[in-house]
Amino acid sequence: DVKVTQSSRYLVKRTGEKVFLECVQDMDHENMFWYRQDPGLGLRLIYFSYDVKMKEKGDIPEGYSVSREKKERFSLILESASTNQTSMYLCASSLWTSGGGDNEQFFGPGTRLTVL
Amino acid sequence: SQQGEEDPQALSIQEGENATMNCSYKTSINNLQWYRQNSGRGLVHLILIRSNEREKHSGRLRVTLDTSKKSSSLLITASRAADTASYFCATQKTSGSRLTFGEGTQLTVNP
Repeated sequence: DVKVTQSSRYLVKRTGEKVFLECVQDMDHENMFWYRQDPGLGLRLIYFSYDVKMKEKGDIPEGYSVSREKKERFSLILESASTNQTSMYLCASSLWTSGGGDNEQFFGPGTRLTVL
Repeated sequence: SQQGEEDPQALSIQEGENATMNCSYKTSINNLQWYRQNSGRGLVHLILIRSNEREKHSGRLRVTLDTSKKSSSLLITASRAADTASYFCATQKTSGSRLTFGEGTQLTVNP
């Protein structure tokens, strides 16, 4: 069964802390994504990656960075956490096909981050 | 700008009834996808419809796409309490590009 796992379901951090959210997929997917989900705002794309060591900014990259050192792992980093980064964070992956292709995304269970 | 916008924002029905959710979008697309999210969980892909398709079925799900009106609908027939979830549409503008999600419809099916 295909799987996307996230390192924590719930996380509580203090303002100013450096926070790492880890995502691992076992489907050998090239594409990986980080979203945040907030009530009334839906899913907003933070960063995505089409390959190892590649990254692209999404719609709301400010305050975040990412790392993709291995194909199966995509990390989201909050360099200095702030209260407005309290949210549900969702990781997803999808297959890349030559010439593009129709790509459904597979999601992890989410990490609910609270910044105090 | 918001690419996919679901309507209604919330829907409450009785078990056995049909549930219809709509999605509108602004630009041309390659495909439109519907996802389901149970409370506090990740999203699960339900169905994908390509821009050259008008209707697609999967079990109790029926999806339509009207590219001239830039809209799609998701119909769940004979709903069950277990269908209670949020449903999101997502559009892919070009083949292989990123998805853009709407804000979702919260469906409650009362037993």
